[in-house]
Amino acid sequence: EVHLVESGGGLVQPGGSLRLSCATSGFTFSDYWMYWARQAPGTGLMWVSRINIGGTIPTYADSVKGRVTISRDNAKNTMYLQMSNLTVEDTAVYYCAKGGQYFTSPWDSWGQGTLVTVSS
Amino acid sequence: DIQMTQSPSSLSASVGDKVTITCRASQSVTPNLNWYQHKPGKAPNLLIYATSTLQTGVPSRFSGSGSGTDFTLTISSLQPEDFATYYCQQSYRTPPTFGQGTRVENK
Repeated sequence: EVHLVESGGGLVQPGGSLRLSCATSGFTFSDYWMYWARQAPGTGLMWVSRINIGGTIPTYADSVKGRVTISRDNAKNTMYLQMSNLTVEDTAVYYCAKGGQYFTSPWDSWGQGTLVTVSS
Repeated sequence: DIQMTQSPSSLSASVGDKVTITCRASQSVTPNLNWYQHKPGKAPNLLIYATSTLQTGVPSRFSGSGSGTDFTLTISSLQPEDFATYYCQQSYRTPPTFGQGTRVENK
């Protein structure tokens, strides 16, 4: 069974940093594109970042570009999102999701999310 | 970016009702239109991908149709576990984008 478990969320002050992790099991991690999405309070789902199978092609939403770095460790079956210079607008539940073997593939498994709260 | 617009934003329905949610894209996204179900505090769940293909394990009361810019998610007979928010998503072009969601509530 596929499992994705996010961790690393918490309360951080504006301008601070956090590193989120997404630990996976139940599938061959190195065969799939991986994604981060978020849901801010009272809003819908929004894509944040994705990384290709080899970890060589990161892509970011305009709203986070320059402030976040996605990475993956295929040996540890884990994906990361390093976030810096956080603002209150980054407050959200962050989800990791498993894609397919192409970037057009649907996201067929998701974690339950980790809450990031940016507040002074 | 491709804009995805769902309607309605919310609806009230009863168990056994047929429910239809529409999703319109600002440009063609065929065939890469996906539907997700999301319940509070839970992981989003893929229901339908590539417009009309039912994800493994998803009940057959869910179906999807459409092409080009106009798509539909139908629940043929609403069940108690179906009260949730539903999102369409295009994965045709970067960035992948979601509709704003349709909340299905108990009448």
